[in-house]
Amino acid sequence: QVQLVQSGAEVKKPGASVKVSCKASGYTFTSYGISWVRQAPGQGLEWMGWISAYNGNTNYAQKLQGRVTMTTDTSTSTAYMELRSLRSDDTAVYYCARAPGIAAADGFDYWGQGTLVTVSS
Amino acid sequence: QSVLTQPPSASGTPGQRVTISCSGSSSNIGSNYVYWYQQLPGTAPKLLIYRNNQRPSGVPDRFSGSKSGTSASLAISGLRSEDEADYYCAAWDDSLSDVVFGGGTKLTVL
Repeated sequence: QVQLVQSGAEVKKPGASVKVSCKASGYTFTSYGISWVRQAPGQGLEWMGWISAYNGNTNYAQKLQGRVTMTTDTSTSTAYMELRSLRSDDTAVYYCARAPGIAAADGFDYWGQGTLVTVSS
Repeated sequence: QSVLTQPPSASGTPGQRVTISCSGSSSNIGSNYVYWYQQLPGTAPKLLIYRNNQRPSGVPDRFSGSKSGTSASLAISGLRSEDEADYYCAAWDDSLSDVVFGGGTKLTVL
């Protein structure tokens, strides 16, 4: 069965960086993309970007351009999301999700369990 | 605020039919597929409807989606207590080149 297992919770200081991992299993990793979606406490969902696990092509949300980098390691079927220059409003649960289509245009059919990132001085 | 507009709350009694609306524009709903996600309390979102009106395997046929112009709707018939959750619509936006979400609708089963 398809599973996406994310790394554990993180606490970071403002200005620092965080890197969250998402290990995929149960399907051919390179046949799909991975999107990242975050949810601030008590708030709605916000799309962060997408990466093709086939060729590494990326498409980042305009709001996060320049602060976010998404990568994959096909040898371990793992996707990574790094967010830099953290601010307090980056405090959120970060989800990875499998994206069947091109550039995240065709929805997200399986989701990871989420990783809480807390930014606090 | 969110690019797609949903009512913040909806409610119904067991067995009732409830609909949740999602309003957008020509650059998102008007020209792309709509997706619906269900988020039970304390859990990750789950795909409920894809490509406007398709149900993934395992999703009961009590859930249905529709789209007309720049609006979409999620209908839940035969409401059950376990349907109490947050529901989000989403679509690709051609102008922003982003996936945009609605603000979410909290469904309460009375």
